Amino acid sequence: DAGVTQSPTHLIKTRGQQVTLRCSPKSGHDTVSWYQQALGQGPQFIFQYYEEEERQRGNFPDRFSGHQFPNYSSELNVNALLLGDSALYLCASSLNWIAGVGEKLFFGSGTQLSVL
Amino acid sequence: AQSVTQLDSHVSVSEGTPVLLRCNYSSSYSPSLFWYVQHPNKGLQLLLKYTSAATLVKGINGFEAEFKKSETSFHLTKPSAHMSDAAEYFCVVNPANTDKLIFGTGTRLQVFP
Repeated sequence: DAGVTQSPTHLIKTRGQQVTLRCSPKSGHDTVSWYQQALGQGPQFIFQYYEEEERQRGNFPDRFSGHQFPNYSSELNVNALLLGDSALYLCASSLNWIAGVGEKLFFGSGTQLSVL
Repeated sequence: AQSVTQLDSHVSVSEGTPVLLRCNYSSSYSPSLFWYVQHPNKGLQLLLKYTSAATLVKGINGFEAEFKKSETSFHLTKPSAHMSDAAEYFCVVNPANTDKLIFGTGTRLQVFP
């Protein structure tokens, strides 16, 4: 049973470009959350998708957008990249009907984005 | 707003000695607190979770944490460090009625032979 898988593992872009990161949730999970982890910092919540809709959002600009597909996989899109967007982007999946979060989140290994 | 503060950015111990990673939380009501571990090139893994049922929480790999409301602390401990414990550790709070986690800035644990 595969866990949460993310692609690509590494990515290099230049300022102003757009990027798409992908996430496949753990089998049986229907909810996907995205986190940004800057170097030396803890992960920060970007947003969460459930039933193909954005359900919650953290303090990130509209340049950050996402999508969830019928098979529950998800994409994170970042437009007009800035140097400060360089970070590890983590995807986490869970099963919506489970009350509470944290213990029910499974994280992927992340995509390391470098913006030059 | 709920938040957590990890008091040490780096902790170094010798193998076989106790580990103490400190975390204070800020919350106006009883929070949901967690400790996660992050090994290089691996996903975040849950170590343990605080529920209101017990103030001393036991987790995986011999780790445990004690919730102290009077001190607003949730420190992580292990009696005897192992080389494989070297990693980044995060104290985390889950604000009520949300599905998001708020992470501390992390503590890097080094274990020397």
